[in-house]
Amino acid sequence: AQSVAQPEDQVNVAEGNPLTVKCTYSVSGNPYLFWYVQYPNRGLQFLLKYITGDNLVKGSYGFEAEFNKSQTSFHLKKPSALVSDSALYFCAVRPADRGSTLGRLYFGRGTQLTVWP
Amino acid sequence: EAQVTQNPRYLITVTGKKLTVTCSQNMNHEYMSWYRQDPGLGLRQIYYSMNVEVTDKGDVPEGYKVSRKEKRNFPLILESPSPNQTSLYFCASRDRGITEAFFGQGTRLTVV
Repeated sequence: AQSVAQPEDQVNVAEGNPLTVKCTYSVSGNPYLFWYVQYPNRGLQFLLKYITGDNLVKGSYGFEAEFNKSQTSFHLKKPSALVSDSALYFCAVRPADRGSTLGRLYFGRGTQLTVWP
Repeated sequence: EAQVTQNPRYLITVTGKKLTVTCSQNMNHEYMSWYRQDPGLGLRQIYYSMNVEVTDKGDVPEGYKVSRKEKRNFPLILESPSPNQTSLYFCASRDRGITEAFFGQGTRLTVV
């Protein structure tokens, strides 16, 4: 079964400090991995994705994510957090196999990031 | 502007009264999905469509119906809503290939 785990419901960090939001996954075959962000009363917005190649992926708003195949992880990172980064972050995985799950996205439960001044 | 539009944004209804939540996208995307978001459960897929007249069940399809008669529209139908369908609903679309999904603003549904 395909699954995505975000082990932390909440992450709190001071502005200017680095932040990490964790994500691990379990899928059959190679995965395509995504991060989305949700601001209050808004839909989800795409941040970045990993398809293949370089394990460090750069995305919007200064975010990046590191793919680690051996640990089946795709942690979201930012070197210096901003108060405006406070939001709900979702990791998602899309199996690359061509079976019945083709094209489907599986989401984690989300991690609430709070950056305080 | 590229967007996914859901209507209504907020809806309060009574148990058993049929309702439809509309979803429309203007990007000519082939793939469209419906999700529900519940606290502590994240997003769970309800239904999925790969193209016109092609739909498939997601993880939580019970109590919902969909149709895809046109490429741009993907309505979600609750024939007989129940209180456990109180949730925040999102429609999403994406293009072919390994592309990101675009999400609507969400519909907050309350069934009393």
